[in-house]
Amino acid sequence: NAGVTQTPKFQVLKTGQSMTLQCAQDMNHEYMSWYRQDPGMGLRLIHYSVGAGITDQGEVPNGYNVSRSTTEDFPLRLLSAAPSQTSVYFCASRSLVLRDYGYTFGSGTRLTVV
Amino acid sequence: AQKVTQAQTEISVVEKEDVTLDCVYETRDTTYYLFWYKQPPSGELVFLIRRNSFDEQNEISGRYSWNFQKSTSSFNFTITASQVVDSAVYFCALNFGNEKLTFGTGTRLTIIP
Repeated sequence: NAGVTQTPKFQVLKTGQSMTLQCAQDMNHEYMSWYRQDPGMGLRLIHYSVGAGITDQGEVPNGYNVSRSTTEDFPLRLLSAAPSQTSVYFCASRSLVLRDYGYTFGSGTRLTVV
Repeated sequence: AQKVTQAQTEISVVEKEDVTLDCVYETRDTTYYLFWYKQPPSGELVFLIRRNSFDEQNEISGRYSWNFQKSTSSFNFTITASQVVDSAVYFCALNFGNEKLTFGTGTRLTIIP
């Protein structure tokens, strides 16, 4: 089915470990983004991209890196995980040409850093 | 400042009651887009509605309705004859003319059978 696919769904990391959260979409959307969701704080934008080779910071970018080498993929890297990065992470995409519908979200990755 | 406020942190109502979720926003832009998303206990985000700033018509979709009032910068969401399946966290969000989507902090709605 078309949509946004996030892997893994769950992950436990030790402090200082690194990992990459994967996000892939098959809708040819130009825009892709990463959010984190924390209790009482809603969803906050980490990084976003408006096309291959173009990325920019959102509201809470510290501790995270991204790259966009293809239209389909937008991985989020944690170089040295910290307990403060325990959260639920959502990837979202949308078309920048067709503005008639909302963003498509992945099912989320629940990350725990111990 | 561009901001979305959902002042109601948690709401509980008895099944079949009507309930309104409030959303107030701040922006200097004249072009913007308003959204509501539902997050059921399973955790995914479900798109409910998108509205642009030039369209103040209220919308009804089954038991759901939305009231957009630019004069008060509000985009409220009403569920009529609530059901247990409506229990979820509901988020209001705005796109302020760039590509970023800014969320409110959400309202947790519990429908009591």
